[in-house]
Amino acid sequence: AQKVTQAQTEISVVEKEDVTLDCVYETRDTTYYLFWYKQPPSGELVFLIRRNSFDEQNEISGRYSWNFQKSTSSFNFTITASQVVDSAVYFCALSEVYNYGQNFVFGPGTRLSVLP
Amino acid sequence: DADVTQTPRNRITKTGKRIMLECSQTKGHDRMYWYRQDPGLGLRLIYYSFDVKDINKGEISDGYSVSRQAQAKFSLSLESAIPNQTALYFCATGGRDNYGYTFGSGTRLTVV
Repeated sequence: AQKVTQAQTEISVVEKEDVTLDCVYETRDTTYYLFWYKQPPSGELVFLIRRNSFDEQNEISGRYSWNFQKSTSSFNFTITASQVVDSAVYFCALSEVYNYGQNFVFGPGTRLSVLP
Repeated sequence: DADVTQTPRNRITKTGKRIMLECSQTKGHDRMYWYRQDPGLGLRLIYYSFDVKDINKGEISDGYSVSRQAQAKFSLSLESAIPNQTALYFCATGGRDNYGYTFGSGTRLTVV
């Protein structure tokens, strides 16, 4: 069965610090997708990134970067020079693809507080 | 207009009442989903539908039912609401391209 673990329930940092959010997943499939979503205090869910299981290259988008390591089944998310607007709950998610279907499993989320 | 619209945004209802949460989308996606979010538990799948004639139970379907009225509409019903169904409910859509879901803004439901 698929499972996503985000061991950090809450993290607090001071503005401009770097912070890494951990995500560990379990799946028996060889083909799968990993995602990160952001949920700001307003409540909506914002898509951040998708990574497929065949692409282990790290990705950088502005202050955001993601480290995907199949050997440790991890897909960690780093925010560089954090800002108050980064305060949110962040969810890691796993999607296994079977037949033509797609089903997501979300981790419990990590609440990030960036203090001014 | 939002790609995925949920109504209502907030609702307070009494125990035992029937309530329907509605979702409509303009993405043209085949697949639609209902999730509930509880603190510390992330999002859990209630029901999903891959097309109008396809309805599937998710992880926590007990106490809920759904209707896929059209490709663009997917409603969630609580036949007899109970307090532990108090949660934030999200509708989502997805295409076959596996580029992830598009979520609605959520419906905050409180059962008193």
